[in-house]
Amino acid sequence: GESVGLHLPTLSVQEGDNSIINCAYSNSASDYFIWYKQESGKGPQFIIDIRSNMDKRQGQRVTVLLNKTVKHLSLQIAATQPGDSAVYFCAENTGNQFYFGTGTSLTVIP
Amino acid sequence: KAGVTQTPRYLIKTRGQQVTLSCSPISGHRSVSWYQQTPGQGLQFLFEYFSETQRNKGNFPGRFSGRQFSNSRSEMNVSTLELGDSALYLCASSLQLAGGRNTGELFFGEGSRLTVL
Repeated sequence: GESVGLHLPTLSVQEGDNSIINCAYSNSASDYFIWYKQESGKGPQFIIDIRSNMDKRQGQRVTVLLNKTVKHLSLQIAATQPGDSAVYFCAENTGNQFYFGTGTSLTVIP
Repeated sequence: KAGVTQTPRYLIKTRGQQVTLSCSPISGHRSVSWYQQTPGQGLQFLFEYFSETQRNKGNFPGRFSGRQFSNSRSEMNVSTLELGDSALYLCASSLQLAGGRNTGELFFGEGSRLTVL
């Protein structure tokens, strides 16, 4: 089966610094990847996505990088704010099914 | 446009009981997926429905079942509840292209938090 793993279960950053959250995926056939943010008591919210024909995609304060050679995905958050504190999940899509990692808990220190 | 709606938001059951959870997808979304979320386990895929048919199923016992109605609303049922079934159950909907291909993004509801005593 699929496995999606995150390198670090927790991450603490100072407000204003940049955050980088990493994710490893196992299926080279996965063609679509999404980063989700989940705040306490809420469902996951879409942050940014990327398809396998790209290696970088930028959004507002967020950038996703995809390295298919080593099957690695990262989420970069610029100028991290207290409201960014949450659990972040990466998800890979293979054949209409999504597989999620266990999540990285990001804490922003004011 | 209303988001994905799940009911109930919270419920408490005892071992051996059964539970039914409901999910109303975003209007126009025909694919509905269910996930179980527990601390440290992430989101575990339960099943996915499209046009009233179960297309994919995760590695859960037969006590977990679901269905989808013609209006795309979905229900999941867990019978003979066990303590380990305590979790947040998340429903997600997505827009499908013709032919059933997934356009991508899953839109999640807020979840139903089940506690089994």
